[in-house]
Order: sequence, then structure tokens, then C-alpha cells
Amino acid sequence: QAQLVQSGAEVRQPGASVRVSCKASGYMFLSYHIHWVRQAPGQGLEWMGIINPSGGGTTFAQKLQGRVTMTRDTSTNTVYMDLSSLRSEDTAKYFCARGVHYGAFDIWGQGTMVTVSA
Amino acid sequence: DIVMTQSPLSLPVTPGEPASISCRSNQSLLHSNGFNYLDWYLQKPGQSPRLLISLGSNRASGVPDRFSGSGSGTDFTLKISRVEAEDVGLYYCMQPLQTPFTFGPGTKVDL
Repeated sequence: QAQLVQSGAEVRQPGASVRVSCKASGYMFLSYHIHWVRQAPGQGLEWMGIINPSGGGTTFAQKLQGRVTMTRDTSTNTVYMDLSSLRSEDTAKYFCARGVHYGAFDIWGQGTMVTVSA
Repeated sequence: DIVMTQSPLSLPVTPGEPASISCRSNQSLLHSNGFNYLDWYLQKPGQSPRLLISLGSNRASGVPDRFSGSGSGTDFTLKISRVEAEDVGLYYCMQPLQTPFTFGPGTKVDL
């Protein structure tokens, strides 16, 4: 069955960078966009951006522009989200999600907790 | 950016009784193709969100038929015909009409 499996929890100091991976299986990797959504502790959901695994094109939330990059490796069906210049406000659980053509997120990864702390 | 609001933010429910959540957007979510780009998600404690409803009223695969979505333009509603204990959690609406996709603040449903 189609699924997204994310990398494990990370702890970083302020100013550092983090990479979270999202490995797809059970479906045509190139046929669906991947979105990244984050959720700070006790807070709601925040859309971060989207990557098209087919061409690699990306669109990011304006507040993260310049700090976030999203890439993909088509040989391993994996998408990566890199976030730099980490701040305490970036402490959150990060989810990848598969986007269908009308925008809905029909499959979600299990989430990756990123903690930014000195 | 499209701003999404939900009401109520907290909803106590009784098993067997109906429940309803409202979602509003500050711009129409009606696409030129005739579909409303509005989704509903349920996030149970400690879990990832799960898609319940897409395009305003289409139940996702495996979603019980006690869940229904309705509305058009800027006003949408999620209804649970008869609440079950497993329905507790946070319900979010989201607009995938234009980037940045935006979520409502969430409605906490509990017994």
C-alpha cells in the first residue's frame, strides 16, 4: 500500500540546519506532489511548501523563503526538506504528505520531531 | 493569503448524537471547474492528520458515511450524523485552492 516514511527525530542548536527525509513507496513517485506541513507543540498545522518530484519544482511559504529547500532523489523515491538558521520557533513536528491533483493530502508520513534548543 | 476560520474551537459531544463544525474562508474557494477546494482532516491524539473530506463534500476512501461535508464559496460545514467515541480529536479545514495552502485553527472534539 502507498506510504510515506520519514526519518527520525532530530535535536539542533539555534543557527544550525536540519534535513528531514520522506521516502515514498507503493505508488508512482513521480505522479504526485509532496507537501511539507509542520505543527509546533500544542499548535495547529502550517503549510511549508510543495515539491513536484517529476521536475523538482518547488513553491515555499513566504515566511520560510531563504531558509527552506526541498529536493528529491528519484532513484530512491525520497524527498528531502532542509531548514537552515534554525530558531526556537522552528521546534515542531514536521510532516510530509502526498498531494492529489485537486490539492488534498491523502497520505501522510508519521511525522519527524525537530527540537531546536541550546 | 486566504484566511480560514472555524467554529466552534471546542466541541463537547455525546456518543450517538450529531455534531457540526463550521469553516469559513475570506475568499471564495469555488474553482472555475465548479468544485470547491476545501478539505477536512481529523488528527487524533499522537497521530498524523487523516483526510476525511475533499472538494467540500467527497468522502475519502475508508471514511465512514456518518461524516459528510457541505457548503460552497466561503461557508462550509462538516457534520457527523452520530458521533462515536473514536471520533474525538482535532478537526481542521484546509484550502488547497492557492498557495500558500492554509488551515483553519482547528476544532477540538471531545466527549
